[in-house]
Amino acid sequence: NAGVTQTPKFRVLKTGQSMTLLCAQDMNHEYMYWYRQDPGMGLRLIHYSVGEGTTAKGEVPDGYNVSRLKKQNFLLGLESAAPSQTSVYFCASSYPGMEGEQYFGPGTRLTVT
Amino acid sequence: LAKTTQPISMDSYEGQEVNITCSHNNIATNDYITWYQQFPSQGPRFIIQGYKTKVTNEVASLFIPADRKSSTLSLPRVSLSDTAVYYCLVGDYGGSQGNLIFGKGTKLSVKP
Repeated sequence: NAGVTQTPKFRVLKTGQSMTLLCAQDMNHEYMYWYRQDPGMGLRLIHYSVGEGTTAKGEVPDGYNVSRLKKQNFLLGLESAAPSQTSVYFCASSYPGMEGEQYFGPGTRLTVT
Repeated sequence: LAKTTQPISMDSYEGQEVNITCSHNNIATNDYITWYQQFPSQGPRFIIQGYKTKVTNEVASLFIPADRKSSTLSLPRVSLSDTAVYYCLVGDYGGSQGNLIFGKGTKLSVKP
């Protein structure tokens, strides 16, 4: 039981490049989330999904897109990376009605130059 | 959304009990109080959640007064490995979906 895994762990992009971050969970959770964490700040919600094929915007969705084609996977895309998107990205998942108890992945450290 | 206020940092020594208080004056009737722990270079980890009075698990206790405008996370006999950032969150988790709001947290430093 791996829990929540994220790929890749580290990445460096040049401004304007695109990439996709992959999140996978093996706990059969319906809900999945993408957060970003910047130095000295708490986590901010980017997008979330309450089930396969559904996504919704969080607090800071601009510049990101997501897809949930399979229940166990949640993808976060950056179409044209900007330096302001340099951050650590965390994926999480939970059961419905238990959004307070989220299980987080190890994070992806992204640097955009 | 209920905003939370907690100390930026706290220091303690090994073996002491640590109490971290969180203020949430505009908590709503359906809101729960949840605490997370985060170590450097790791994702947050759920510690405990409660609605009112006292909740205890194998890791911590959560004290919530009757007016629910504040809560206190109690860590018994801390060790060096408890050095981490602790986040207090308030929200309606029974259907709020993406309503988990993290503040800046409290950085707890445990010294030998």
